Amino acid sequence: DGGITQSPKYLFRKEGQNVTLSCEQNLNHDAMYWYRQDPGQGLRLIYYSQIVNDFQKGDIAEGYSVSREKKESFPLTVTSAQKNPTAFYLCASSMKTGSTGELFFGEGSRLTVL
Amino acid sequence: DAKTTQPTSMDCAEGRAANLPCNHSTISGNEYVYWYRQIHSQGPQYIIHGLKNNETNEMASLIITEDRKSSTLILPHATLRDTAVYYCIVRVDTNFGNEKLTFGTGTRLTIIP
Repeated sequence: DGGITQSPKYLFRKEGQNVTLSCEQNLNHDAMYWYRQDPGQGLRLIYYSQIVNDFQKGDIAEGYSVSREKKESFPLTVTSAQKNPTAFYLCASSMKTGSTGELFFGEGSRLTVL
Repeated sequence: DAKTTQPTSMDCAEGRAANLPCNHSTISGNEYVYWYRQIHSQGPQYIIHGLKNNETNEMASLIITEDRKSSTLILPHATLRDTAVYYCIVRVDTNFGNEKLTFGTGTRLTIIP
């Protein structure tokens, strides 16, 4: 079935370690996004990419990095520079042309830094 | 994009219609109203969107007032699986407007057995 796959679902890391979260989609979507969600809060945009080999900072990009080498993949690295990395991370994608604006989300990755 | 105001929480009895309000008094003429929902610890799910006409799909109905300053999402026969946080968002419908979507804190809807 078509969709977005995030892995791992749960991740524990020690403070100071870099962590990479995977996001893969087989929907043939051009645009991909990474959001962060803290308990009881809405979603905040970290990075987004409208096309392969191009990406833009969102509202809270500091301490994060991304790459978009393939259309299907948009991995997010949470670096040691991110002051408070414990959160629920959501990846999403959407079509480029003829878009209704619908975002398709993955199931999320919950990162806990010990 | 215009801001939206939603109640923090609502309850609804199972089998009844759930009516979720949203105020967007500063909406512009070319901004659409979108609704998503997020079931606990999952990614948000698109429900419906509209510009000025009322819309209906298999999940819900969207009623937009004539002045477009508010809207109501209607789940016609709520089930326990409809318990979720519901987000009302307004945005300009462009090819790449999704990066402007703002998911606030939404309305936490609880369906009561």
